[in-house]
Amino acid sequence: DTGVSQNPRHKITKRGQNVTFRCDPISEHNRLYWYRQTLGQGPEFLTYFQNEAQLEKSRLLSDRFSAERPKGSFSTLEIQRTEQGDSAMYLCASSLTEGNQPQHFGDGTRLSIL
Amino acid sequence: SQQGEEDPQALSIQEGENATMNCSYKTSINNLQWYRQNSGRGLVHLILIRSNEREKHSGRLRVTLDTSKKSSSLLITASRAADTASYFCATDRIQGAQKLVFGQGTRLTINP
Repeated sequence: DTGVSQNPRHKITKRGQNVTFRCDPISEHNRLYWYRQTLGQGPEFLTYFQNEAQLEKSRLLSDRFSAERPKGSFSTLEIQRTEQGDSAMYLCASSLTEGNQPQHFGDGTRLSIL
Repeated sequence: SQQGEEDPQALSIQEGENATMNCSYKTSINNLQWYRQNSGRGLVHLILIRSNEREKHSGRLRVTLDTSKKSSSLLITASRAADTASYFCATDRIQGAQKLVFGQGTRLTINP
């Protein structure tokens, strides 16, 4: 399968713990995006990378959140000192840069904070 | 914050009927895209329509775009049980990256 891959699919953790999610984009895609989706809502943009450069961050991305894409391939999203409000589905998407290209999404990581 | 709204929020129809969903947005856009999401899964891209296009077809899907009214519609013809899902419209701005701004979605149920 050459689609966007996210791991883990589910993560349950206690409040205050740190968590890290991984996203492997489609191999030739140089743009990578992170979104967050809560129940009954559409996804909300968090941040995006062009190759290894993080070019935009949403105000939703507090200082407890950090994302990296060190070699311009896979990306990680870390949440430190998790809070109950962090419970959500975290979605990764990738796309080509040229022209009007659709974003291709992974199946997400569902985070539950106890 | 959400860009706009989908209407209706939920739609239930019989298999074989047509389903129409509407999307409104607030700011000028570059493209508008429709996505489908099955429960607990990621989003699947359905169709992209550029701001200078008015209508686009893909299989049983027909999308229209009216930039003067800042609205779009998605028509699914001859619906099937497998079309049961949530449908989202998403827009990207004229300038800047293609970060998408989503509506709240329409929950479509096809009854056999």
